[in-house]
Amino acid sequence: EAGVAQSPRYKIIEKRQSVAFWCNPISGHATLYWYQQILGQGPKLLIQFQNNGVVDDSQLPKDRFSAERLKGVDSTLKIQPAKLEDSAVYLCASCWGARMGTDTQYFGPGTRLTVL
Amino acid sequence: GNSVTQMEGPVTLSEEAFLTINCTYTATGYPSLFWYVQYPGEGLQLLLKATKADDKGSNKGFEATYRKETTSFHLEKGSVQVSDSAVYFCALKENTGFQKLVFGTGTRLLVSP
Repeated sequence: EAGVAQSPRYKIIEKRQSVAFWCNPISGHATLYWYQQILGQGPKLLIQFQNNGVVDDSQLPKDRFSAERLKGVDSTLKIQPAKLEDSAVYLCASCWGARMGTDTQYFGPGTRLTVL
Repeated sequence: GNSVTQMEGPVTLSEEAFLTINCTYTATGYPSLFWYVQYPGEGLQLLLKATKADDKGSNKGFEATYRKETTSFHLEKGSVQVSDSAVYFCALKENTGFQKLVFGTGTRLLVSP
Protein backbone atom coordinates (compact mmCIF):
# COMPACT_ATOMS: atom_id res chain seq x y z
CA GLU A 1 0.00 0.00 0.00
CA ALA A 2 1.39 3.41 -0.93
CA GLY A 3 2.06 5.78 1.95
CA VAL A 4 1.24 9.42 2.43
CA ALA A 5 2.90 11.49 -0.29
CA GLN A 6 4.05 15.08 0.15
CA SER A 7 5.73 17.59 -2.11
CA PRO A 8 7.97 19.39 -2.32
CA ARG A 9 10.40 17.83 0.16
CA TYR A 10 12.32 21.07 0.62
CA LYS A 11 11.50 24.73 0.03
CA ILE A 12 13.49 27.88 0.63
CA ILE A 13 11.76 31.25 0.35
CA GLU A 14 12.24 34.79 1.55
CA LYS A 15 10.00 36.35 4.15
CA ARG A 16 6.78 37.85 2.84
CA GLN A 17 6.72 35.38 -0.07
CA SER A 18 4.02 32.76 -0.50
CA VAL A 19 4.41 29.00 -0.47
CA ALA A 20 2.16 25.98 -0.92
CA PHE A 21 2.52 22.36 0.13
CA TRP A 22 0.71 19.38 -1.29
CA CYS A 23 -0.38 16.12 0.36
CA ASN A 24 -1.89 12.95 -1.06
CA PRO A 25 -3.14 10.70 1.75
CA ILE A 26 -3.37 6.92 1.75
CA SER A 27 -6.18 5.79 -0.52
CA GLY A 28 -9.49 5.55 1.32
CA HIS A 29 -8.40 7.53 4.38
CA ALA A 30 -11.16 9.94 5.31
CA THR A 31 -9.23 11.98 7.85
CA LEU A 32 -6.28 14.18 6.97
CA TYR A 33 -4.07 16.26 9.26
CA TRP A 34 -1.47 18.97 8.79
CA TYR A 35 1.15 19.37 11.53
CA GLN A 36 3.92 21.92 12.02
CA GLN A 37 7.15 20.62 13.56
CA ILE A 38 9.59 23.30 14.60
CA LEU A 39 13.18 22.16 15.12
CA GLY A 40 13.59 20.55 18.53
CA GLN A 41 9.86 20.30 19.19
CA GLY A 42 7.13 17.75 18.69
CA PRO A 43 4.61 18.12 15.88
CA LYS A 44 1.75 20.51 16.53
CA LEU A 45 -1.61 20.06 14.84
CA LEU A 46 -2.57 22.88 12.49
CA ILE A 47 -5.75 21.57 10.89
CA GLN A 48 -7.79 18.38 10.65
CA PHE A 49 -10.13 17.45 7.81
CA GLN A 50 -12.82 14.81 7.77
CA ASN A 51 -13.42 14.12 4.07
CA ASN A 52 -13.51 17.65 2.62
CA GLY A 53 -14.78 19.38 5.76
CA VAL A 54 -12.69 21.09 8.44
CA VAL A 55 -13.01 19.41 11.85
CA ASP A 56 -10.46 21.38 13.86
CA ASP A 57 -8.49 24.45 12.82
CA SER A 58 -8.19 26.04 16.23
CA GLN A 59 -4.38 26.21 16.06
CA LEU A 60 -4.11 27.42 12.46
CA PRO A 61 -2.87 31.05 12.17
CA LYS A 62 -5.68 32.03 9.87
CA ASP A 63 -4.29 35.46 9.05
CA ARG A 64 -1.56 33.81 6.97
CA PHE A 65 -2.24 30.09 6.73
CA SER A 66 -4.97 28.43 4.71
CA ALA A 67 -5.73 24.85 3.77
CA GLU A 68 -8.19 23.05 1.59
CA ARG A 69 -9.08 19.51 0.74
CA LEU A 70 -11.11 19.59 -2.40
CA LYS A 71 -13.03 16.40 -3.25
CA GLY A 72 -11.96 14.88 0.06
CA VAL A 73 -8.66 13.47 -1.24
CA ASP A 74 -5.59 15.66 -1.85
CA SER A 75 -4.92 18.66 0.33
CA THR A 76 -2.97 21.89 -0.03
CA LEU A 77 -1.56 24.03 2.80
CA LYS A 78 -0.63 27.61 1.92
CA ILE A 79 1.29 30.31 3.78
CA GLN A 80 0.87 33.89 2.61
CA PRO A 81 2.92 35.88 3.52
CA ALA A 82 5.61 33.78 5.21
CA LYS A 83 7.46 34.89 8.32
CA LEU A 84 10.81 33.78 9.67
CA GLU A 85 9.10 31.83 12.46
CA ASP A 86 7.31 29.67 9.88
CA SER A 87 10.56 27.80 9.25
CA ALA A 88 9.66 24.22 10.15
CA VAL A 89 8.82 20.81 8.77
CA TYR A 90 5.21 20.52 7.66
CA LEU A 91 3.86 17.03 8.10
CA CYS A 92 0.77 15.53 6.57
CA ALA A 93 -0.91 12.50 8.13
CA SER A 94 -4.01 10.46 7.39
CA CYS A 95 -6.14 7.77 8.95
CA TRP A 96 -9.28 5.81 8.12
CA GLY A 97 -11.55 7.85 10.34
CA ALA A 98 -10.84 9.87 13.47
CA ARG A 99 -13.95 8.68 15.25
CA MET A 100 -12.45 5.20 15.58
CA GLY A 101 -10.82 5.47 18.97
CA THR A 102 -7.68 3.46 18.29
CA ASP A 103 -7.18 4.58 14.70
CA THR A 104 -3.54 5.01 13.70
CA GLN A 105 -2.29 8.11 11.92
CA TYR A 106 0.20 7.51 9.10
CA PHE A 107 2.65 10.30 8.36
CA GLY A 108 4.25 11.50 5.17
CA PRO A 109 7.97 12.42 4.92
CA GLY A 110 7.25 16.11 5.43
CA THR A 111 8.21 19.34 3.67
CA ARG A 112 11.09 21.27 5.20
CA LEU A 113 10.48 25.00 4.83
CA THR A 114 13.23 27.55 5.36
CA VAL A 115 12.22 31.21 5.43
CA LEU A 116 15.13 33.65 4.97
CA GLY B 1 -5.24 21.02 28.39
CA ASN B 2 -3.71 17.67 27.53
CA SER B 3 0.07 17.44 27.45
CA VAL B 4 2.98 15.01 27.20
CA THR B 5 6.35 15.36 28.92
CA GLN B 6 9.41 13.43 27.80
CA MET B 7 12.91 13.21 29.18
CA GLU B 8 15.32 15.49 27.41
CA GLY B 9 18.00 14.09 25.19
CA PRO B 10 20.20 13.20 23.71
CA VAL B 11 20.38 9.77 25.26
CA THR B 12 23.73 8.23 24.38
CA LEU B 13 24.22 4.49 24.75
CA SER B 14 26.57 1.78 23.62
CA GLU B 15 25.26 -1.07 21.51
CA GLU B 16 23.48 -3.78 23.55
CA ALA B 17 22.78 -1.42 26.46
CA PHE B 18 19.36 -1.19 28.12
CA LEU B 19 17.18 1.73 27.07
CA THR B 20 14.55 3.65 29.01
CA ILE B 21 12.94 6.84 27.74
CA ASN B 22 10.53 8.35 30.23
CA CYS B 23 7.15 9.72 29.23
CA THR B 24 4.39 11.09 31.43
CA TYR B 25 1.11 12.64 30.39
CA THR B 26 -1.67 14.88 31.60
CA ALA B 27 -5.10 14.22 30.18
CA THR B 28 -8.76 14.29 30.98
CA GLY B 29 -10.49 11.01 30.40
CA TYR B 30 -8.75 7.94 29.07
CA PRO B 31 -6.46 8.68 26.14
CA SER B 32 -4.70 6.22 23.88
CA LEU B 33 -0.90 6.39 24.10
CA PHE B 34 1.66 6.07 21.33
CA TRP B 35 5.37 6.01 20.64
CA TYR B 36 6.45 7.29 17.24
CA VAL B 37 9.98 7.10 15.85
CA GLN B 38 11.62 9.44 13.35
CA TYR B 39 14.73 8.14 11.61
CA PRO B 40 17.06 10.69 9.99
CA GLY B 41 15.51 12.15 6.86
CA GLU B 42 12.28 10.20 7.23
CA GLY B 43 8.76 10.84 8.45
CA LEU B 44 7.22 9.74 11.71
CA GLN B 45 6.48 6.03 12.02
CA LEU B 46 4.26 4.43 14.60
CA LEU B 47 6.40 2.24 16.87
CA LEU B 48 3.81 0.95 19.33
CA LYS B 49 0.58 1.90 21.04
CA ALA B 50 -1.65 1.09 24.01
CA THR B 51 -5.31 1.97 24.29
CA LYS B 52 -6.19 1.30 27.92
CA ALA B 53 -4.67 1.02 31.37
CA ASP B 54 -2.22 -1.87 31.89
CA ASP B 55 -2.00 -2.55 28.16
CA LYS B 56 1.52 -3.26 26.93
CA GLY B 57 2.49 -2.18 23.44
CA SER B 58 5.45 -3.88 21.81
CA ASN B 59 7.26 -3.85 18.48
CA LYS B 60 10.82 -4.51 17.24
CA GLY B 61 11.98 -5.32 20.78
CA PHE B 62 10.59 -2.09 22.22
CA GLU B 63 7.92 -2.16 24.94
CA ALA B 64 5.84 0.35 26.86
CA THR B 65 3.11 -0.20 29.47
CA TYR B 66 0.18 2.17 29.98
CA ARG B 67 0.30 3.05 33.69
CA LYS B 68 -2.76 5.01 34.69
CA GLU B 69 -1.78 5.30 38.36
CA THR B 70 1.48 7.07 37.49
CA THR B 71 0.22 8.58 34.17
CA SER B 72 3.27 7.17 32.44
CA PHE B 73 4.16 5.30 29.25
CA HIS B 74 7.92 4.71 29.45
CA LEU B 75 9.66 3.19 26.43
CA GLU B 76 12.11 0.33 27.06
CA LYS B 77 14.34 -1.95 25.04
CA GLY B 78 16.59 -4.60 26.48
CA SER B 79 19.44 -4.33 23.97
CA VAL B 80 19.73 -1.38 21.61
CA GLN B 81 21.38 -1.45 18.20
CA VAL B 82 23.10 1.26 16.21
CA SER B 83 20.11 1.18 13.85
CA ASP B 84 17.85 2.31 16.70
CA SER B 85 19.45 5.77 16.59
CA ALA B 86 16.54 8.12 15.94
CA VAL B 87 14.22 10.60 17.63
CA TYR B 88 11.43 9.06 19.68
CA PHE B 89 8.15 10.88 20.31
CA CYS B 90 5.59 10.01 22.94
CA ALA B 91 2.04 11.05 22.11
CA LEU B 92 -1.48 10.80 23.41
CA LYS B 93 -4.72 10.74 21.51
CA GLU B 94 -7.84 12.07 23.09
CA ASN B 95 -10.71 9.64 22.79
CA THR B 96 -13.35 12.32 22.82
CA GLY B 97 -13.98 15.36 20.69
CA PHE B 98 -11.65 15.75 17.73
CA GLN B 99 -9.30 12.95 18.89
CA LYS B 100 -6.18 14.82 17.92
CA LEU B 101 -2.66 13.64 18.71
CA VAL B 102 -0.67 15.62 21.25
CA PHE B 103 3.08 15.04 21.05
CA GLY B 104 5.96 15.40 23.47
CA THR B 105 9.09 17.27 22.40
CA GLY B 106 10.96 14.13 21.37
CA THR B 107 14.06 12.38 22.71
CA ARG B 108 17.06 11.78 20.49
CA LEU B 109 18.76 8.42 20.94
CA LEU B 110 22.33 7.92 19.80
CA VAL B 111 23.73 4.38 19.86
CA SER B 112 27.43 3.84 19.28
CA PRO B 113 29.08 0.56 18.24
